[in-house]
Amino acid sequence: GAVVSQHPSWVICKSGTSVKIECRSLDFQATTMFWYRQFPKQSLMLMATSNEGSKATYEQGVEKDKFLINHASLTLSTLTVTSAHPEDSSFYICSARDSISQGYNSPLHFGNGTRLTVT
Amino acid sequence: AQKITQTQPGMFVQEKEAVTLDCTYDTSDPSYGLFWYKQPSSGEMIFLIYQGSYDQQNATEGRYSLNFQKARKSANLVISASQLGDSAMYFCAMRGRWYSSASKIIFGSGTRLSIRP
Repeated sequence: GAVVSQHPSWVICKSGTSVKIECRSLDFQATTMFWYRQFPKQSLMLMATSNEGSKATYEQGVEKDKFLINHASLTLSTLTVTSAHPEDSSFYICSARDSISQGYNSPLHFGNGTRLTVT
Repeated sequence: AQKITQTQPGMFVQEKEAVTLDCTYDTSDPSYGLFWYKQPSSGEMIFLIYQGSYDQQNATEGRYSLNFQKARKSANLVISASQLGDSAMYFCAMRGRWYSSASKIIFGSGTRLSIRP
């Protein structure tokens, strides 16, 4: 159980275009999802906390207008990278907790990540 | 502020030997959780083990055990009888505000473990 599906797994886009990444909790409900960014050989940096039915909470230094997050249902959160530039190229990975069935001490379950390359 | 420190950027271990990956943390939250994740070269994050700050016993999951020393603020991962498939990046992570469903998890810088045949 507790599977998180992320799509697409990789995407190549041209500079100036927008890219949407989907994160779905397949067998549980997630009121909160988390979006991380990972540069090569580095750790995961939290970008934002996605809250179902309300605005996302962004970490310091993350541009909310560039990284649009929508959490319209209990099983889906999307991250849209707007007007992408080469410096946005990175590995983006979403995660969620099954806080209902697994309790308050449940771990984060991660999607398989999206490798974004902006040319 | 919360902080996770992993001081070993890389480690080489002979197959079948045990290995300890170090992790120290800092937090002002009275209750918190500690996690270890494995990230193979394919990129997915695999949950290994967790320890709650009020747990009396060290957590164990198969070949993984967590050496939790609360006074020293350390949560080292011990892998017994290492296997070639254990070669990966390992991240220590912490979640504060244990009682809140929205509390976030922060990660250490990771340790790249390589198992030699």
